[in-house]
Amino acid sequence: DTEVTQTPKHLVMGMTNKKSLKCEQHMGHRAMYWYKQKAKKPPELMFVYSYEKLSINESVPSRFSPECPNSSLLNLHLHALQPEDSALYLCASSQFSTGELFFGEGSRLTVL
Amino acid sequence: DQQVKQNSPSLSVQEGRISILNCDYTNSMFDYFLWYKKYPAEGPTFLISISSIKDKNEDGRFTVFLNKSAKHLSLHIVPSQPGDSAVYFCAASAWDTGNQFYFGTGTSLTVIP
Repeated sequence: DTEVTQTPKHLVMGMTNKKSLKCEQHMGHRAMYWYKQKAKKPPELMFVYSYEKLSINESVPSRFSPECPNSSLLNLHLHALQPEDSALYLCASSQFSTGELFFGEGSRLTVL
Repeated sequence: DQQVKQNSPSLSVQEGRISILNCDYTNSMFDYFLWYKKYPAEGPTFLISISSIKDKNEDGRFTVFLNKSAKHLSLHIVPSQPGDSAVYFCAASAWDTGNQFYFGTGTSLTVIP
């Protein structure tokens, strides 16, 4: 199983809503990532979890709150988002820092 | 500061010909490089990688070349097919970046039938 599964695939939310994006991998990878990608731009790193601990937070606003309940799951909790937060949110995992980075298909988020 | 750069935002190639996508990097500590292909509204798909101990890696129609002295890598696709039309990102990492991968800005490849 070489998949990273993300749900939901599409999400539309208002600026006062609270929602969550979920990510799951069963490859035994110990590093998991959240990236944000806008159209025609490279993936932009948001958070990295290594061995279930937050190791990198790229100065992401607190309206995005990551959570890693266990080594296979990664969540991104969303609250009070802005329309400019609309983007494709990608989850990824890797085993080593110099190994392949596997991406999920992404969650397309629209904030109204 | 963009540590990984793809200076050609777009490339058009005839079907059956070679596509060459280029990528430059500035950090000499990078020791692992990857190429990803991305269709609109989908996550990037891993294509091929190369570690700094090699200068070439081949997988089917895809070959990646690494020139460490020039801090340059390239992806060759031969022969190019219409299904190869997508945005291609190169990425780099180093053992001391804490599991961080740096991405280039992407090159949009169009293969003309």
